Amino acid sequence: TQLLEQSPQFLSIQEGENLTVYCNSSSVFSSLQWYRQEPGEGPVLLVTVVTGGEVKKLKRLTFQFGDARKDSSLHITAAQPGDTGLYLCAGAEGAQKLVFGQGTRLTINP
Amino acid sequence: DTGVSQNPRHKITKRGQNVTFRCDPISEHNRLYWYRQTLGQGPEFLTYFQNEAQLEKSRLLSDRFSAERPKGSFSTLEIQRTEQGDSAMYLCASSLGTVNKAFFGQGTRLTVV
Repeated sequence: TQLLEQSPQFLSIQEGENLTVYCNSSSVFSSLQWYRQEPGEGPVLLVTVVTGGEVKKLKRLTFQFGDARKDSSLHITAAQPGDTGLYLCAGAEGAQKLVFGQGTRLTINP
Repeated sequence: DTGVSQNPRHKITKRGQNVTFRCDPISEHNRLYWYRQTLGQGPEFLTYFQNEAQLEKSRLLSDRFSAERPKGSFSTLEIQRTEQGDSAMYLCASSLGTVNKAFFGQGTRLTVV
């Protein structure tokens, strides 16, 4: 089974700051997904990246897939308290299952 | 379309009891997945259906666990003789064709006491 490592595991910053979360693997993935999860809820899909080097933007969130399709990053600009949550990256292993990282718990303080 | 729906949202059961969870996927989605998430961890794959066929099962799915999707629509996950280690969030997801656009339900939180 392929493994995904996320860093940092915990991040607490002030409102208005920028941050980057990393998702790394020694394996190549055909695609990589980022999810956000609130306490007691299921993960919500934010983005899927498929092509090496691909960059996608979702308002203040920028997602990048590494050239070798082994890693990804999530950058948040001017973080807001509403961005607080657990951010999960997941790689597609074959055609039928996702392998998840352990998550980055992000807290944005007002 | 209201997304993936899971019931119940919460279940507290005594050790040794059997429990069953239900998942209703997004209506046109042919693929359905079950995952388990323990505190502080990312979700772990349990099993996967394409229509009514169960095509893959994780080694995490012991013989006490069984999943069905009898008509290729809703699915059930049953745990027999529950153990305290079964306490977790059980997540269901569905997708149309490709796993990289899977949508998750709200999950069922199981507590075994």
